[in-house]
Order: sequence, then C-alpha cells, then structure tokens
Amino acid sequence: GQQVMQIPQYQHVQEGEDFTTYCNSSTTLSNIQWYKQRPGGHPVFLIQLVKSGEVKKQKRLTFQFGEAKKNSSLHITATQTTDVGTYFCAGQNDYKLSFGAGTTVTVRA
Amino acid sequence: DAGVIQSPRHEVTEMGQEVTLRCKPISGHNSLFWYRQTMMRGLELLIYFNNNVPIDDSGMPEDRFSAKMPNASFSTLKIQPSEPRDSAVYFCASSLRMPNSPLHFGNGTRLTVT
Repeated sequence: GQQVMQIPQYQHVQEGEDFTTYCNSSTTLSNIQWYKQRPGGHPVFLIQLVKSGEVKKQKRLTFQFGEAKKNSSLHITATQTTDVGTYFCAGQNDYKLSFGAGTTVTVRA
Repeated sequence: DAGVIQSPRHEVTEMGQEVTLRCKPISGHNSLFWYRQTMMRGLELLIYFNNNVPIDDSGMPEDRFSAKMPNASFSTLKIQPSEPRDSAVYFCASSLRMPNSPLHFGNGTRLTVT
C-alpha cells in the first residue's frame, strides 16, 4: 500500500536559523497536504500542493511538490519559537490521505 | 463555524469496559474520518465515511472496534471490550469533499485503558 516517509523525525533549531523537512511517497500522489500539530493539540491544515513542481509560500514557510509528484519539502526560514510543533505531510490518492511520521521541531532561544 | 466537535476530551477506563467516542463533523462536510495517534504508529486511518456510508474500514484494528454514522451530523467509534493497547488519542476529522479537500480535525479524545 501507499507509504509516506518523512525525515528528519526530530529537528532542534536555533532561533533564527533555517531548516527543511522532507517527505517521500512510494507511489505517485494526486496531491500532498501539510499539517502542523502543536504540543497537546490537533493537526491543523497548512497547505495543499496539486501540480507537479508546484511551489507555494506562506510568510516564512516554503512548500514544494516534486516534478514526479512523489516527494515534497517544507522549508522554514528564520525559525521562531512559534514554529514549535510537529509538521506532517500527507499524501493523497483517491480519498486516502496517508500521513508521514512527522518532524517534531524544537527551538532554542 | 464551531469546527469538528469530539467528546469526551479525556476517557479513563478499565480493561474490558466498553468505550464510546463521539464526533460531530462540520455542517455541510460529506466526508468523515476516524484516526488514531500513538507515539509508536503515528496517525493511522481507522475508517472513512462518505455521505454517512462506510467506504473503507480496513484500518479498524479488529472486531472489538466498530464505527457508525447514523446521520450527517453524528458519528461514534466504539471499542468493546477495551484493552490497554487501545490507549491513544483518537481524532475525528471531516472534509467538504474527497479528494482534494483539507481535513478539519477535532480536538481529539485521549483514551487511557488501565
């Protein structure tokens, strides 16, 4: 079945630095979605990428969808303490949304 | 928009007891999902309903788990009998339509089975 792998599992970042989390699917996806879950909270939708090679930005967050529609990345610049949480990618085929294991981000002030 | 509403927020029960988790999706959403989250296994899809009909229940662990959606505004996930390994956070999520719509998650139910 469809599997979505996400790395790294943990990311410890100095405030102000950049980091990237990567997502890879074993199958071609119709779209990929990204979610953020704060500690003790629930996943909250951030963005959806549909087109091959698509790039979208939300302030300091840049999302990319690979040309083959099998991988994606999230790059955060100038990390802030508000960026703390777990970032999940979720790859979709038909109705099925398969979540990666998530990247848990902690920030050193 | 009140969002997806789940109850209870926390449930502590003894092994062997029946547990019922409840979910009210966002009005107008025709897709509903139950997910389970644990440290070991991450977010797992348990069951998916479309227009109140179960479409995919392949993620339901075993016969002890059952889910219903009697109408568009209510769903339940039942575990009978519960076991300690069922301890997890259970999320309900709804979506306007599938595919290509984001999921809106409820706050979850943290279940502890002792």
